[in-house]
Amino acid sequence: KAGVTQTPRYLIKTRGQQVTLSCSPISGHRSVSWYQQTPGQGLQFLFEYFSETQRNKGNFPGRFSGRQFSNSRSEMNVSTLELGDSALYLCASSRNLNTEAFFGQGTRLTVV
Amino acid sequence: GIQVEQSPPDLILQEGANSTLRCNFSDSVNNLQWFHQNPWGQLINLFYIPSGTKQNGRLSATTVATERYSLLYISSSQTTDSGVYFCAVEQGGETSGSRLTFGEGTQLTVNP
Repeated sequence: KAGVTQTPRYLIKTRGQQVTLSCSPISGHRSVSWYQQTPGQGLQFLFEYFSETQRNKGNFPGRFSGRQFSNSRSEMNVSTLELGDSALYLCASSRNLNTEAFFGQGTRLTVV
Repeated sequence: GIQVEQSPPDLILQEGANSTLRCNFSDSVNNLQWFHQNPWGQLINLFYIPSGTKQNGRLSATTVATERYSLLYISSSQTTDSGVYFCAVEQGGETSGSRLTFGEGTQLTVNP
């Protein structure tokens, strides 16, 4: 069974640009969550989607947004990129709410 | 919010040695997971263990929910065990939903 797939794996963007990252969950999983990992802040929760609805949002500015489609695939968008947005972005899928989470390989974003 | 503390922050072992990693959390949790982050950044599931004891090969884990801690045991360590080990907890409920709160990790280095 295929795992969680994130695309692209690597991305280099310029300050001020915007970026869209994609996450395809494990087949049958309905919950998708996003996390940001940086050396200084560790792993931090961005948001969670279930059945196309955002159920939870972490403490990030409005430049960070996301959505989930009817097939459970999710995208996150970061607008007006800042140098500090450089990070590994990880997506996790779960079969339902409050069940075991499985992570993708991540998208490594570098903002120059 | 809930606090998750992992110890030790760094651990260096010789191949074949045993080790214990600890995770303390500050409030009651619905779920607890242990992950190993591989060199490419992916979080690999080790255990989903809100309470009790589980074993998987050379690894085992115990969570004592009433005392708010979990332990990860690695026996007969191998160089491939090197990497960062994370503990993550989920409180559940309407406020926290399915978000995982991560500890800062234990960096394990196993030398040949």
